[in-house]
Amino acid sequence: GENVEQHPSTLSVQEGDSAVIKCTYSDSASNYFPWYKQELGKRPQLIIDIRSNVGEKKDQRIAVTLNKTAKHFSLHITETQPEDSAVYFCAATQTGTASKLTFGTGTRLQVTL
Amino acid sequence: DAGVIQSPRHEVTEMGQEVTLRCKPISGHNSLFWYRQTMMRGLELLIYFNNNVPIDDSGMPEDRFSAKMPNASFSTLKIQPSEPRDSAVYFCASSFTLGGIGSGADTQYFGPGTRLTVL
Repeated sequence: GENVEQHPSTLSVQEGDSAVIKCTYSDSASNYFPWYKQELGKRPQLIIDIRSNVGEKKDQRIAVTLNKTAKHFSLHITETQPEDSAVYFCAATQTGTASKLTFGTGTRLQVTL
Repeated sequence: DAGVIQSPRHEVTEMGQEVTLRCKPISGHNSLFWYRQTMMRGLELLIYFNNNVPIDDSGMPEDRFSAKMPNASFSTLKIQPSEPRDSAVYFCASSFTLGGIGSGADTQYFGPGTRLTVL
């Protein structure tokens, strides 16, 4: 089955700096890679996703890159703000198979003033 | 449009009691997932359904856990008997599974969760 590793487990950045979270996956058949943000006491919420037919996707201050050859993908947050503080999870799956997501272990991002 | 609905939001019970968690997926979605989240084990997939049929229950920890999906708009996760180590936040999520690269399918949307405390 799929195995997703996520690094780092905690990340502290100053407001305005960039943050990068990296994930690797093991199953070359995986083709859908979502990122979820979970604030304290809340549900995981999708913030961006990428499919294997593209190498990069951007949405305002958030971008995700995918390297299929190396089987890794990364989340980039630019101009970080205090409200970006949360736990971020990466995940991987093969679409069309009822999409059983395999999640990474999460990265706790702290944006300090 | 309502998202995934879960009830109850909080449940406190005593060891040995039966606990039933409920989930209503987003209308039109055909896949439903039950997750458990703890600090120690992170986010674990317990079981998932596609078109009301259980596809993979390998994440169900033991026979005390059971899940049903009698129709497309309702699912339950039952723990009987409950134990203190079952204390966790249980999330239900749903998605529409169509398949194919480039489709808008397969995004999972999570419910607000049920925080279960077993004393």
